[in-house]
Amino acid sequence: EVQLVESGGGLVQPGRSLKLSCVASGFTFSNYGMNWIRQAPGKGLEWVAYISSGSSYIYYAETVKGRFTISRDNAKNTLYLQMTSLRSEDTALYYCARGQLTSFAYWGQGTLVTVSS
Amino acid sequence: DIVMTQGALPNPVPSGESVSITCRSSKSLLYSDGKTYLNWYLQRPGQSPQLLIYWMSTRASGVSDRFSGSGSGTDFTLKISGVEAEDVGVYYCQQGLEFPRTFGAGTKLELK
Repeated sequence: EVQLVESGGGLVQPGRSLKLSCVASGFTFSNYGMNWIRQAPGKGLEWVAYISSGSSYIYYAETVKGRFTISRDNAKNTLYLQMTSLRSEDTALYYCARGQLTSFAYWGQGTLVTVSS
Repeated sequence: DIVMTQGALPNPVPSGESVSITCRSSKSLLYSDGKTYLNWYLQRPGQSPQLLIYWMSTRASGVSDRFSGSGSGTDFTLKISGVEAEDVGVYYCQQGLEFPRTFGAGTKLELK
C-alpha cells in the first residue's frame, strides 16, 4: 500500500524558515517524480514544486521560487521542502503527492504550516 | 501559465441525479502524442484529494464507473451518473501539460 507521511509543519514567524519532510513507503520511491501541493485554509489547491526521480528536473511555482527548495533522498525514501523567508500567505496545509504520468495519483494527509507573529 | 476555469453546480443536487462538472483551459491540453493532459480529483470533506480521471477520460484504479470524463482540447466535462452520498465534496480539474501545474478553483457538490 502506498503511503506518504508528511511532517515538520508548525507555527513560525514571518521571515523565518521551516523544513518539511515526506516519508514514502509501499512503492519504489526512486522511480517516481514527487510534488508538493498546498491548500490555504478554506481555499483550493496550489501546486508548489516538482522534483524528478533522480533530481535532474526541478520546477517551482512563481509564488515560491527563490524562497523554497525541493529535494529528495532516495536512500531514505524521503522528500523535503525547505521553506525560507516565510510569509503569511504561505499559511496552508502542505501535501506531498506522488507523480503518476502527469497527475497526482497518491497524496499524503498533509502537514499544516502557519505563518504568524 | 495555463488558467483552468471550472463551472458551478446547482446545489443541492437530489440523490440519484446525474450531474456534469465543466472545466475550461486557456490553452489546448492535447499533446502531440494524442493524449489530453487533463485530470480530475475529488476532495471529500476533511480528506486529501483523490485522483478520479487522468488523460481526460481514463478512470484511475478503483474509481467507480459512475464517473466519466470527456471533452476536447480546451473544454472538459466530468459526469457523475447517479450521485451518491459518498460523492459529496469539491471536484478539481488540473492540467498536466506543462509546468507550473495548475488547478481549477474547484466545484462543490452538495446532496439534497
